[in-house]
Amino acid sequence: GAGVSQSPRYKVTKRGQDVALRCDPISGHVSLYWYRQALGQGPEFLTYFNYEAQQDKSGLPNDRFSAERPEGSISTLTIQRTEQRDSAMYRCASSLESGRTSGYTDTQYFGPGTRLTVL
Amino acid sequence: AQSVTQLGSHVSVSEGALVLLRCNYSSSVPPYLFWYVQYPNQGLQLLLKYTSAATLVKGINGFEAEFKKSETSFHLTKPSAHMSDAAEYFCAVTFSGSARQLTFGSGTQLTVLP
Repeated sequence: GAGVSQSPRYKVTKRGQDVALRCDPISGHVSLYWYRQALGQGPEFLTYFNYEAQQDKSGLPNDRFSAERPEGSISTLTIQRTEQRDSAMYRCASSLESGRTSGYTDTQYFGPGTRLTVL
Repeated sequence: AQSVTQLGSHVSVSEGALVLLRCNYSSSVPPYLFWYVQYPNQGLQLLLKYTSAATLVKGINGFEAEFKKSETSFHLTKPSAHMSDAAEYFCAVTFSGSARQLTFGSGTQLTVLP
């Protein structure tokens, strides 16, 4: 019973570089979520998937951000041409159910996060 | 739009004292409400959730919260604080018909004094 894992745990990059953040959800979990958490704030929604389908990407701040989950398991969040304002903790979560009504009350299990610092 | 407000970014209590962390929500439809705890260098862990069944919800580690529709509140309480309760606590909301993402408050850092 491993939990949600994320890699790398820490990433330092220079402005203008691309970064890829990985999330490995709990085995069998259908839904996967990406959040961004600034210092002193709660997590803010970025995007979520049911299986391999991206259901909502309304939280992605601009077109430099993209995410994929090609086989319905591991997901990658990619940030192109990073900027200093992208520095934050990026958190992934997974839940068991898909997008049925009952899924609104499903527990989202969070990973430890990736701390991204853009110099 | 739904939102969550946590009053008090920092709360200090003495060991053995009552813990009260405040959360108020704004939602035009019935909400689902959650409390998460975050320990340093760890992911957020669910403490408890309100899913429109019982209004008094009991969670892990002796925490509980009461949903009060008239006050649009979901405050988190624990009768007796323990040193291990020191952490950051987040209230979150979602509702049926939304995109199912959680909307979080800004968090409350709980310090437990010996």
